[in-house]
Amino acid sequence: GNSVTQMEGPVTLSEEAFLTINCTYTATGYPSLFWYVQYPGEGLQLLLKATKADDKGSNKGFEATYRKETTSFHLEKGSVQVSDSAVYFCALLSSGGYQKVTFGIGTKLQVIP
Amino acid sequence: GAVVSQHPSRVICKSGTSVKIECRSLDFQATTMFWYRQFPKQSLMLMATSNEGSKATYEQGVEKDKFLINHASLTLSTLTVTSAHPEDSSFYICSAPANSGPEAFFGQGTRLTVV
Repeated sequence: GNSVTQMEGPVTLSEEAFLTINCTYTATGYPSLFWYVQYPGEGLQLLLKATKADDKGSNKGFEATYRKETTSFHLEKGSVQVSDSAVYFCALLSSGGYQKVTFGIGTKLQVIP
Repeated sequence: GAVVSQHPSRVICKSGTSVKIECRSLDFQATTMFWYRQFPKQSLMLMATSNEGSKATYEQGVEKDKFLINHASLTLSTLTVTSAHPEDSSFYICSAPANSGPEAFFGQGTRLTVV
């Protein structure tokens, strides 16, 4: 079955530091890949997505590239802010008609001033 | 993007009572919706797939008699936690797939606390 492996946190960074959160996946076919963010006390928000190999998703300074050869979708940001403190989930959506999302464990990011 | 509205956002109930959580697709129709549960410091796990006009499909280990799912219309799915116990305290979130393209839209989630 499908699975997503994501680095466990928490990750603590100083403001303006570089962020990488690793994510690898196992899936049949050609899944779509996502990063979701969950701010404290809130639901999930889509941060970015990529639907095919070599696609780069980007939003709010975050980027992730769909690497089929390494089955990875690492999240990066060049300069984090305190407001980026949240839990980040890597996820995939099967390429078949059954659109069930498979999530990674989530990585808590804390950015300190 | 499309909007999925989930209500209530927080609920506290007494042990033994039942709680209903609603999930609505506001500007699109959803023949399928998914219900997830998130335990503290863990990921979201799929509980069940809600199918409009037919029975829900439950994941292994999820008690269908405890977590009642009804999908009576193309825009509304409900999850009822029956005879709730403290171990049912969790974060529940619903999602609906996009009608075109690979994407899923999530509700705001419901924090259930059973005391």
